Amino acid sequence: EVQLLESGGGLVQPGGSLRLSCVASGFTLSTYSMNWVRQAPGKGLEWVSGVPGSGDRTYYADSVKGRFTISRDKSKNTLYLQMNSLRAEDTAIYYCVEGSWENWGQGTLVTVSS
Amino acid sequence: EIVLTQSPAALSLSPGERATLSCRASQSVSRFLAWYQQKPGQTPRLLIYDASTRATGIPARFGGSGSGTDFTLTISSLEPEDFAVYYCQQRSNWPLTFGPGTKVDIK
Repeated sequence: EVQLLESGGGLVQPGGSLRLSCVASGFTLSTYSMNWVRQAPGKGLEWVSGVPGSGDRTYYADSVKGRFTISRDKSKNTLYLQMNSLRAEDTAIYYCVEGSWENWGQGTLVTVSS
Repeated sequence: EIVLTQSPAALSLSPGERATLSCRASQSVSRFLAWYQQKPGQTPRLLIYDASTRATGIPARFGGSGSGTDFTLTISSLEPEDFAVYYCQQRSNWPLTFGPGTKVDIK
């Protein structure tokens, strides 16, 4: 059974940093494309970042480009999202999503506020 | 960036009625269009991918159609559990994008 478990969310001040983790089980994360999607409170879904199965490139939404970095650790079967220079508008639940888009983590809440 | 527009923004229907949801892309996405359902407090669930292929375990009352820039999600006969928000998503080009959603609520 495929499972994705995010962690690392929390309250951070504007300008601060957080690193989200997504531990995968039931499949080898490094061989699949993976994505981060976020949802601000009461709002719709926003794709944030993705990495193809080949891992040769990474992709970002314009709203986070230059501030967020997606990466994965094969040895830990884990996907990461390093988030720097956080803004109030980054406040959202962040979901890790496996490449078929059928499997989503439960999400981790990031709140950016002073 | 490909912009997706969904219509209507909200739809009030009764159980047993047919629901027709539209998604329009700002440029062609071929058939790389997916639909998701999200209920309050739950994670999104993939319903349809490649415009018309039902995902694992999705009932036959959910159907997708379209190609290029115009797509439709049809729920042939609404069940009580189908009242939710529905999002379309294009996977043709990076950055991937979602539509703003259509809320289907009980009339």
